Amino acid sequence: SAVISQKPSRDICQRGTSLTIQCQVDSQVTMMFWYRQQPGQSLTLIATANQGSEATYESGFVIDKFPISRPNLTFSTLTVSNMSPEDSSIYLCTVGTNYNEQFFGPGTRLTVL
Amino acid sequence: GENVEQHPSTLSVQEGDSAVIKCTYSDSASNYFPWYKQELGKRPQLIIDIRSNVGEKKDQRIAVTLNKTAKHFSLHITETQPEDSAVYFCAASSGGFYSGGGADGLTFGKGTHLIIQP
Repeated sequence: SAVISQKPSRDICQRGTSLTIQCQVDSQVTMMFWYRQQPGQSLTLIATANQGSEATYESGFVIDKFPISRPNLTFSTLTVSNMSPEDSSIYLCTVGTNYNEQFFGPGTRLTVL
Repeated sequence: GENVEQHPSTLSVQEGDSAVIKCTYSDSASNYFPWYKQELGKRPQLIIDIRSNVGEKKDQRIAVTLNKTAKHFSLHITETQPEDSAVYFCAASSGGFYSGGGADGLTFGKGTHLIIQP
């Protein structure tokens, strides 16, 4: 399966600032997704980031707060804008296969003070 | 949209016994049902999955069953070992290979904390 890396692995940020999280894959993939895992909780889909189209956001997530880029088939970024303590979570990207499987990146642990 | 319910939230079993985790889903269009294992501080790992054209799938000590009519699926772990202790998540999605389009994102259950007692 594809090797997925994320940067940064963790960060501590001040409220009101923004953080861009990078997701890099070692092979070309069409489907990438971004998820959030709040402390002690399950995983929630933020958006689908397929190359060649605008990101599709799930209910409760908006582009102004979580802008996403997908410039090519191996890379995507998620920005968490105007952060508040409620944004403290682990943010994970996944890559999808044509057979529906999704494999997770290592995650970015974000703490907002 | 899809809603996935998972039970129990915590499951404690003796080492060597079996563990069963159950999930239900709401969207009849869902056709893919993976299970993930997440150890503390690590990313979720895909351990087994099942598609809507199959009723049961087994991989060594792990098996998954699917009842499309009742919209529920279950994870079975036999001969549990201490390293099975983790949080397990079920999920559901639609689209993808079997519908001829791109896969949709996953909707997850709330997770089951499995504790294997020595």
